[in-house]
Amino acid sequence: DGGITQSPKYLFRKEGQNVTLSCEQNLNHDAMYWYRQDPGQGLRLIYYSQIVNDFQKGDIAEGYSVSREKKESFPLTVTSAQKNPTAFYLCASSPHRATEAFFGQGTRLTVV
Amino acid sequence: AQTVTQSQPEMSVQEAETVTLSCTYDTSESNYYLFWYKQPPSRQMILVIRQEAYKQQNATENRFSVNFQKAAKSFSLKISDSQLGDTAMYFCAFMKPLHRGGKLIFGQGTELSVKP
Repeated sequence: DGGITQSPKYLFRKEGQNVTLSCEQNLNHDAMYWYRQDPGQGLRLIYYSQIVNDFQKGDIAEGYSVSREKKESFPLTVTSAQKNPTAFYLCASSPHRATEAFFGQGTRLTVV
Repeated sequence: AQTVTQSQPEMSVQEAETVTLSCTYDTSESNYYLFWYKQPPSRQMILVIRQEAYKQQNATENRFSVNFQKAAKSFSLKISDSQLGDTAMYFCAFMKPLHRGGKLIFGQGTELSVKP
């Protein structure tokens, strides 16, 4: 079945460590997105990419990094520079005609 | 820069009644896409309805319909015959076409409670 997969579902890390969240899609979508969601709040855009080997900063890119080496993969690294990384992270993808964005099931990151 | 504003943080409605969620946006683009997404407690994002800006006709999906006012930059969602399963967070979203950047941004959300 086609879809978008985020892993892991839950992730725990010690403060000061970098951590990478995985996002894979087999929908042949051009665009991919990363969002952060804090309790009771909306989705804030971290990074997005329209094509392989290219990506743009969203509204809250500081402390995060991404790569887009393959069309189907868009991993997000939360670096130690991110001051408050504990949050729910959502990945999405969209086809060229932007008919809709498909979402993964999210990764809950907790930094202790 | 594009922005999306949902001015109603919380709303409630009685089962079987109608409720309207508001959304305004700001953009200088002439062609774009608008969406309403639902996020139940499972946190899975579910597309409710979409609207293409160049289409004047308001989109409808069963009990869900929109009132798209392009000049006013308004995109409200009407839910008719509300059901308990409609209880969720609802997000309004704006997307530029990919050839114009493809940025997809969301409003702050409206938490809807449907009461029996």
